[in-house]
Amino acid sequence: AQKITQTQPGMFVQEKEAVTLDCTYDTSDPSYGLFWYKQPSSGEMIFLIYQGSYDQQNATEGRYSLNFQKARKSANLVISASQLGDSAMYFCAMRPLYSSGSARQLTFGSGTQLTVLP
Amino acid sequence: DGGITQSPKYLFRKEGQNVTLSCEQNLNHDAMYWYRQDPGQGLRLIYYSQIVNDFQKGDIAEGYSVSREKKESFPLTVTSAQKNPTAFYLCASSIGGGAQETQYFGPGTRLLVL
Repeated sequence: AQKITQTQPGMFVQEKEAVTLDCTYDTSDPSYGLFWYKQPSSGEMIFLIYQGSYDQQNATEGRYSLNFQKARKSANLVISASQLGDSAMYFCAMRPLYSSGSARQLTFGSGTQLTVLP
Repeated sequence: DGGITQSPKYLFRKEGQNVTLSCEQNLNHDAMYWYRQDPGQGLRLIYYSQIVNDFQKGDIAEGYSVSREKKESFPLTVTSAQKNPTAFYLCASSIGGGAQETQYFGPGTRLLVL
């Protein structure tokens, strides 16, 4: 079984500044993937970035980077140069990489509501 | 354009009524999923299908049913047995297999009980 914990229900950041959204996880699987999704007020879940447990380097995707610390079981999302359009709910999720059936499901955290201030 | 469509955007259910939520994808993905999201919470898996004519229960399958007769389509029926159906329902698909199996989501259907 996997568990994702996001301890920040809400975060505020000034436009153009960087912000870190926390995510810790727990799993007994030796290989797993970590995902971050953005959910604007419209409701659609937008995939942002992926990190494999075996990846040596932290993932980056444009203004998004993932600060992956395997020993601490944390996978924090860093958004650089925040924009007003970044205001949304952000979810951390994980899944085991080599399981089958419903074990391949994503396990989601409870999310962090990010508000970017002008 | 490739993507996932869900309809309707809003759905109202009367007491004792079954309703069906549509999910269609033209991404040629093998796997499809249904999630439920309650206010202020993350997503929970209802059902999952890896291939046509096969599906498996997720964590909260009671009161729901699905079918997978075509690769592109994975409709979800909310039955009268689901006593608290008011929620936001998201459909997702993934290519199936591979180490990085990213799930892509549709725009969602908001179900309300009258």
